[in-house]
Amino acid sequence: AQSVAQPEDQVNVAEGNPLTVKCTYSVSGNPYLFWYVQYPNRGLQFLLKYITGDNLVKGSYGFEAEFNKSQTSFHLKKPSALVSDSALYFCAVRDNSGTYKYIFGTGTRLKVLA
Amino acid sequence: GAGVSQSPSNKVTEKGKDVELRCDPISGHTALYWYRQSLGQGLEFLIYFQGNSAPDKSGLPSDRFSAERTGGSVSTLTIQRTQQEDSAVYLCASSTRSGGPDTQYFGPGTRLTVL
Repeated sequence: AQSVAQPEDQVNVAEGNPLTVKCTYSVSGNPYLFWYVQYPNRGLQFLLKYITGDNLVKGSYGFEAEFNKSQTSFHLKKPSALVSDSALYFCAVRDNSGTYKYIFGTGTRLKVLA
Repeated sequence: GAGVSQSPSNKVTEKGKDVELRCDPISGHTALYWYRQSLGQGLEFLIYFQGNSAPDKSGLPSDRFSAERTGGSVSTLTIQRTQQEDSAVYLCASSTRSGGPDTQYFGPGTRLTVL
């Protein structure tokens, strides 16, 4: 069965430090992978996606993610965290076998401390 | 341009009543998704529409839930005989097409509270 796991409910990081939000997946075939962010009282916003090609994907607001096929991971990273990055982050996957469903993780709350 | 809009933003209802939630997708987007976000849970897929094709209803949790999309645009999610466990935020998203891994654009959601 397809699944996405975000093992950390919350990640705390000091402002200016690098951050990582973890995501692992299980799908048949080659996956399409996404990160979305949800700021308080706002809808989900797209950050970045991996389709094919270069394993390092760059997205909005200075975020990037690295696709690792052998580890079935797609961790979200940023070299220097900002307080304004504090939000709820969701990893999502869609397989490419013809279904149009997207499977979302349970979310990781990122708290950047000043 | 205008994004995905949803109405109402908040809905409080009594157990056993029916509710209708509305989604207006981005103009020209042919794919439309409904999700449910419960506290501490991820986004739970409910239903997917693509153009005039039959919708994928495999995520609807019970026969109390139904959805329709009129004219390939506006969609309505209906929950009949609401239960307290239906309390959640219901999110709608649209994208330009299916077949490819398109970015989904989400609405602000409707927060449903069943008393």
